[in-house]
Amino acid sequence: KNEVEQSPQNLTAQEGEFITINCSYSVGISALHWLQQHPGGGIVSLFMLSSGKKKHGRLIATINIQEKHSSLHITASHPRDSAVYICAGFMDSNYQLIWGAGTKLIIKP
Amino acid sequence: DTAVSQTPKYLVTQMGNDKSIKCEQNLGHDTMYWYKQDSKKFLKIMFSYNNKELIINETVPNRFSPKSPDKAHLNLHINSLELGDSAVYFCASSPYRPTGGNTIYFGEGSWLTVV
Repeated sequence: KNEVEQSPQNLTAQEGEFITINCSYSVGISALHWLQQHPGGGIVSLFMLSSGKKKHGRLIATINIQEKHSSLHITASHPRDSAVYICAGFMDSNYQLIWGAGTKLIIKP
Repeated sequence: DTAVSQTPKYLVTQMGNDKSIKCEQNLGHDTMYWYKQDSKKFLKIMFSYNNKELIINETVPNRFSPKSPDKAHLNLHINSLELGDSAVYFCASSPYRPTGGNTIYFGEGSWLTVV
């Protein structure tokens, strides 16, 4: 069964805190996307990872292929980071994007 | 500038009507997609075009027909709309053929409600 499990489902933190969101995925997924969805539903692709680590501004994404695990980190979090963060596994076999349940992040000032 | 834009964002229509959702990307990408977001929030691929050529056509009703006049546009036309067609439809694009999970850029979604 193709699955993407994401945790936590909800996360509330104070401005400035270091944030970590975790994602585990099953066999058959060739790449892992991290996406951000704001209220109103627009989706922004943050990272695509098939190996290693990527950094963009205050966002860092890592992936461990052997353990089939990925993490999204936010350093020096800010209220504007408040959104739903989703990891999605991309399957080459049928081009499906298998979504995790999403993490609703709220950063309080 | 919006990279992937789709219109309309909201569409409420009656059963039996025919409607279209338009998508345009200004990223110079070769590949465009239509995904449907289901109630579990999964994005299910419907169609994919590479340089105006249909390369993915998942099992969707024949009432759904994609049209790609050029590689920057992929429109979705739906005939004889049914209640079950109500969903959010996302257009997306990526630089190359859909292998290796190339970075995908999404539109903002089109909320279709059939009444």
